[in-house]
Amino acid sequence: GAVVSQHPSWVICKSGTSVKIECRSLDFQATTMFWYRQFPKQSLMLMATSNEGSKATYEQGVEKDKFLINHASLTLSTLTVTSAHPEDSSFYICSATRQSRGYTFGSGTRLTVV
Amino acid sequence: AQRVTQPEKLLSVFKGAPVELKCNYSYSGSPELFWYVQYSRQRLQLLLRHISRESIKGFTADLNKGETSFHLKKPFAQEEDSAMYYCALSGGGSEKLVFGKGTKLTVNP
Repeated sequence: GAVVSQHPSWVICKSGTSVKIECRSLDFQATTMFWYRQFPKQSLMLMATSNEGSKATYEQGVEKDKFLINHASLTLSTLTVTSAHPEDSSFYICSATRQSRGYTFGSGTRLTVV
Repeated sequence: AQRVTQPEKLLSVFKGAPVELKCNYSYSGSPELFWYVQYSRQRLQLLLRHISRESIKGFTADLNKGETSFHLKKPFAQEEDSAMYYCALSGGGSEKLVFGKGTKLTVNP
Protein backbone atom coordinates (compact mmCIF):
# COMPACT_ATOMS: atom_id res chain seq x y z
CA GLY A 1 0.00 0.00 0.00
CA ALA A 2 0.92 3.65 -0.26
CA VAL A 3 3.24 4.89 2.49
CA VAL A 4 4.20 8.46 3.30
CA SER A 5 7.10 9.19 5.59
CA GLN A 6 7.34 12.52 7.37
CA HIS A 7 10.46 13.68 9.17
CA PRO A 8 11.16 14.79 11.82
CA SER A 9 8.39 13.60 14.12
CA TRP A 10 9.03 16.45 16.47
CA VAL A 11 11.33 19.42 16.60
CA ILE A 12 12.06 22.19 19.06
CA CYS A 13 13.68 25.33 17.76
CA LYS A 14 14.54 28.79 18.97
CA SER A 15 12.50 31.77 17.92
CA GLY A 16 13.91 33.33 14.76
CA THR A 17 15.39 30.16 13.33
CA SER A 18 14.10 28.14 10.38
CA VAL A 19 12.90 24.57 10.40
CA LYS A 20 12.57 22.18 7.47
CA ILE A 21 10.07 19.31 7.43
CA GLU A 22 10.30 16.55 4.82
CA CYS A 23 7.53 14.50 3.33
CA ARG A 24 8.38 11.47 1.21
CA SER A 25 6.21 9.03 -0.65
CA LEU A 26 8.07 5.77 -0.19
CA ASP A 27 6.48 3.38 -2.63
CA PHE A 28 4.70 5.55 -5.14
CA GLN A 29 5.15 8.71 -7.12
CA ALA A 30 2.93 11.44 -5.79
CA THR A 31 1.49 13.79 -8.36
CA THR A 32 0.47 16.20 -5.67
CA MET A 33 1.37 16.79 -2.05
CA PHE A 34 -0.54 18.80 0.51
CA TRP A 35 0.52 20.46 3.74
CA TYR A 36 -1.84 20.82 6.66
CA ARG A 37 -1.64 22.42 10.06
CA GLN A 38 -3.52 21.03 13.03
CA PHE A 39 -3.99 22.97 16.23
CA PRO A 40 -4.68 21.04 19.46
CA LYS A 41 -8.10 19.43 19.44
CA GLN A 42 -8.91 21.04 16.11
CA SER A 43 -9.25 19.88 12.55
CA LEU A 44 -6.68 19.89 9.79
CA MET A 45 -6.36 23.21 8.05
CA LEU A 46 -5.02 23.03 4.51
CA MET A 47 -2.05 25.33 4.08
CA ALA A 48 -0.92 24.66 0.54
CA THR A 49 -0.97 22.31 -2.42
CA SER A 50 2.25 21.47 -4.22
CA ASN A 51 2.82 19.80 -7.56
CA GLU A 52 6.21 18.52 -8.61
CA GLY A 53 8.22 21.11 -10.46
CA SER A 54 5.84 24.00 -9.99
CA LYS A 55 5.11 26.63 -7.39
CA ALA A 56 2.88 25.72 -4.51
CA THR A 57 -0.65 27.06 -4.29
CA TYR A 58 -1.30 28.57 -0.90
CA GLU A 59 -4.64 28.83 0.83
CA GLN A 60 -5.98 32.21 1.74
CA GLY A 61 -4.36 33.62 4.82
CA VAL A 62 -1.24 31.45 4.65
CA GLU A 63 1.96 33.44 4.27
CA LYS A 64 3.97 31.95 1.43
CA ASP A 65 7.14 33.74 2.48
CA LYS A 66 6.76 32.27 5.93
CA PHE A 67 6.00 28.72 4.88
CA LEU A 68 8.24 27.81 1.97
CA ILE A 69 7.29 24.71 0.06
CA ASN A 70 9.57 22.92 -2.34
CA HIS A 71 8.45 19.93 -4.37
CA ALA A 72 11.59 18.97 -6.23
CA SER A 73 10.64 15.41 -7.15
CA LEU A 74 7.65 13.13 -7.37
CA THR A 75 8.58 11.59 -4.04
CA LEU A 76 9.69 14.53 -1.93
CA SER A 77 8.16 17.76 -0.73
CA THR A 78 9.58 20.00 1.97
CA LEU A 79 8.00 22.65 4.16
CA THR A 80 10.33 25.23 5.66
CA VAL A 81 9.01 27.40 8.44
CA THR A 82 11.16 30.51 8.20
CA SER A 83 11.96 32.79 11.12
CA ALA A 84 9.79 30.71 13.36
CA HIS A 85 7.90 32.27 16.24
CA PRO A 86 6.02 30.69 19.14
CA GLU A 87 2.70 31.17 17.33
CA ASP A 88 4.00 28.84 14.60
CA SER A 89 4.08 26.02 17.11
CA SER A 90 1.69 23.42 15.82
CA PHE A 91 1.31 19.97 14.35
CA TYR A 92 2.12 19.89 10.64
CA ILE A 93 0.90 17.02 8.49
CA CYS A 94 1.63 16.22 4.87
CA SER A 95 -0.42 14.18 2.47
CA ALA A 96 0.43 12.72 -0.91
CA THR A 97 -1.81 11.57 -3.69
CA ARG A 98 -1.65 9.92 -7.06
CA GLN A 99 -4.24 10.68 -9.66
CA SER A 100 -7.61 9.44 -8.41
CA ARG A 101 -6.01 7.00 -6.01
CA GLY A 102 -6.78 8.60 -2.71
CA TYR A 103 -4.71 10.47 -0.21
CA THR A 104 -2.07 9.06 2.14
CA PHE A 105 -1.00 10.98 5.21
CA GLY A 106 2.30 11.29 6.98
CA SER A 107 2.52 10.80 10.72
CA GLY A 108 2.95 14.52 11.33
CA THR A 109 5.59 16.80 12.83
CA ARG A 110 5.17 18.47 16.18
CA LEU A 111 6.91 21.86 16.01
CA THR A 112 7.59 23.78 19.20
CA VAL A 113 9.16 27.20 18.95
CA VAL A 114 10.66 28.51 22.16
CA ALA B 1 -15.98 26.93 -2.37
CA GLN B 2 -15.64 23.59 -0.67
CA ARG B 3 -17.05 23.28 2.81
CA VAL B 4 -17.56 20.33 5.12
CA THR B 5 -19.69 20.57 8.23
CA GLN B 6 -19.64 18.10 11.07
CA PRO B 7 -22.20 19.48 13.51
CA GLU B 8 -21.25 17.30 16.46
CA LYS B 9 -17.94 17.99 18.14
CA LEU B 10 -18.47 15.17 20.63
CA LEU B 11 -20.54 12.01 20.45
CA SER B 12 -20.83 9.46 23.20
CA VAL B 13 -22.61 6.11 22.93
CA PHE B 14 -22.63 2.83 24.76
CA LYS B 15 -21.08 -0.33 23.39
CA GLY B 16 -23.50 -2.15 21.13
CA ALA B 17 -25.56 0.93 20.37
CA PRO B 18 -25.94 2.29 16.86
CA VAL B 19 -23.88 5.30 15.98
CA GLU B 20 -24.24 7.95 13.31
CA LEU B 21 -21.71 10.70 12.70
CA LYS B 22 -23.15 13.47 10.63
CA CYS B 23 -21.47 15.19 7.71
CA ASN B 24 -22.87 17.78 5.36
CA TYR B 25 -21.03 19.37 2.50
CA SER B 26 -21.14 22.29 0.14
CA TYR B 27 -19.58 21.97 -3.31
CA SER B 28 -20.65 23.17 -6.71
CA GLY B 29 -19.31 20.23 -8.72
CA SER B 30 -19.28 16.47 -8.25
CA PRO B 31 -17.52 15.82 -4.98
CA GLU B 32 -15.57 12.89 -3.73
CA LEU B 33 -16.36 12.26 -0.09
CA PHE B 34 -14.20 10.52 2.46
CA TRP B 35 -14.24 9.54 6.10
CA TYR B 36 -10.93 9.48 7.93
CA VAL B 37 -10.28 8.18 11.43
CA GLN B 38 -7.54 9.19 13.82
CA TYR B 39 -6.96 6.93 16.80
CA SER B 40 -5.12 8.29 19.80
CA ARG B 41 -1.50 9.11 18.92
CA GLN B 42 -1.79 7.66 15.43
CA ARG B 43 -1.84 9.15 11.98
CA LEU B 44 -4.95 9.75 9.94
CA GLN B 45 -6.26 6.65 8.23
CA LEU B 46 -8.76 6.37 5.44
CA LEU B 47 -11.92 4.70 6.65
CA LEU B 48 -14.22 5.06 3.65
CA ARG B 49 -14.53 6.79 0.32
CA HIS B 50 -17.90 7.03 -1.28
CA ILE B 51 -16.83 5.86 -4.72
CA SER B 52 -15.68 2.49 -3.42
CA ARG B 53 -18.92 1.86 -1.55
CA GLU B 54 -17.27 -0.61 0.78
CA SER B 55 -17.86 -1.28 4.44
CA ILE B 56 -14.81 -0.98 6.69
CA LYS B 57 -14.86 -2.13 10.33
CA GLY B 58 -18.63 -2.28 10.08
CA PHE B 59 -18.96 1.37 9.08
CA THR B 60 -20.92 2.49 6.05
CA ALA B 61 -21.67 5.86 4.52
CA ASP B 62 -24.02 6.79 1.73
CA LEU B 63 -23.68 9.90 -0.32
CA ASN B 64 -27.01 11.73 -0.46
CA LYS B 65 -26.70 14.41 -3.10
CA GLY B 66 -30.18 15.74 -2.44
CA GLU B 67 -29.39 16.44 1.19
CA THR B 68 -25.66 17.03 0.50
CA SER B 69 -24.82 14.61 3.26
CA PHE B 70 -22.42 11.75 3.81
CA HIS B 71 -23.26 10.46 7.27
CA LEU B 72 -21.18 7.65 8.76
CA LYS B 73 -23.07 4.81 10.40
CA LYS B 74 -22.39 1.66 12.34
CA PRO B 75 -25.15 -0.52 13.73
CA PHE B 76 -23.26 -1.75 16.81
CA ALA B 77 -20.49 0.42 18.19
CA GLN B 78 -17.42 -1.14 19.79
CA GLU B 79 -15.09 0.38 22.38
CA GLU B 80 -12.23 0.27 19.88
CA ASP B 81 -14.21 2.62 17.64
CA SER B 82 -13.43 5.47 20.04
CA ALA B 83 -11.46 7.99 17.98
CA MET B 84 -11.65 11.26 16.07
CA TYR B 85 -13.57 11.02 12.84
CA TYR B 86 -13.14 13.50 10.04
CA CYS B 87 -15.31 13.91 7.00
CA ALA B 88 -13.47 15.27 3.97
CA LEU B 89 -14.25 16.39 0.44
CA SER B 90 -12.31 16.82 -2.76
CA GLY B 91 -13.19 17.70 -6.30
CA GLY B 92 -11.71 14.44 -7.54
CA GLY B 93 -8.40 13.51 -9.15
CA SER B 94 -5.59 15.18 -7.24
CA GLU B 95 -7.70 18.06 -6.04
CA LYS B 96 -7.17 19.37 -2.53
CA LEU B 97 -8.86 17.58 0.33
CA VAL B 98 -10.81 19.76 2.72
CA PHE B 99 -11.74 18.53 6.17
CA GLY B 100 -14.59 19.08 8.53
CA LYS B 101 -13.83 19.98 12.12
CA GLY B 102 -14.12 16.40 13.26
CA THR B 103 -16.25 14.48 15.73
CA LYS B 104 -14.79 12.77 18.74
CA LEU B 105 -16.56 9.48 19.25
CA THR B 106 -16.43 7.83 22.64
CA VAL B 107 -17.86 4.36 23.02
CA ASN B 108 -18.48 3.56 26.65
CA PRO B 109 -18.45 0.01 28.04
